[in-house]
Amino acid sequence: QVQLQESGPGLVKPSETLSLTCTVSGGSVNSGSRYWSWIRQAPGKGLEWIGYIFYTGMTKYNPSLKSRVTISMGTSESHFSLKVTSVTAADTAVYYCVQGATYAMLWGQGALVTVSS
Amino acid sequence: ESVLTQSPGTLILSPGERATLSCRDSQGIGGRSLAWYQQRPGQAPRLLIYSASTRAAGIPDRFSGSESGTEFTLTISRLEAEDFAVYYCQQFDGSRWTFGPGTKVENK
Repeated sequence: QVQLQESGPGLVKPSETLSLTCTVSGGSVNSGSRYWSWIRQAPGKGLEWIGYIFYTGMTKYNPSLKSRVTISMGTSESHFSLKVTSVTAADTAVYYCVQGATYAMLWGQGALVTVSS
Repeated sequence: ESVLTQSPGTLILSPGERATLSCRDSQGIGGRSLAWYQQRPGQAPRLLIYSASTRAAGIPDRFSGSESGTEFTLTISRLEAEDFAVYYCQQFDGSRWTFGPGTKVENK
């Protein structure tokens, strides 16, 4: 079955760019009319949707983050990625990649990213 | 923009009791895109219910979802030890996903 795994640096300096990759095993990001999203959760807080990408490459972003976020397909059919520019301490969170169109049917285990100098 | 409100913030119950969690939708978008998730400490959330009342694969039948107007309810018929967790509702309004703030179910 399809499984998701986030990877990337656990520590990012303020004002720099946060980059994460989601590896999809048991499936392809480029087929099956699938949507792939990123969701984050600040320490001790609730869930915040960042955005999604459709298998065609079409994207939608949370308006509150739209100016700083890019979600893209990876260089292989097994990856998609997230970039958040100009990060601050408020971007410190566990970042989850998920599969689903209107709800998150499948979740990665999450990757903690800390923004600190 | 849809706003989801969950109540209560914390529910303190004992194993075997019934838990009733509420999620209100400010815009009346409807249940077609309303989902419920469970998050245990230190774990990723997992999907429990989608389309307001359909259980996800592998979810025990003690979990059920219902809809009445703009209010959605997640019911756990008899709490088991592994059910003490935080529960989130989530909705898609056609262009974005929105999550409620969560209800924590605590063991008395």
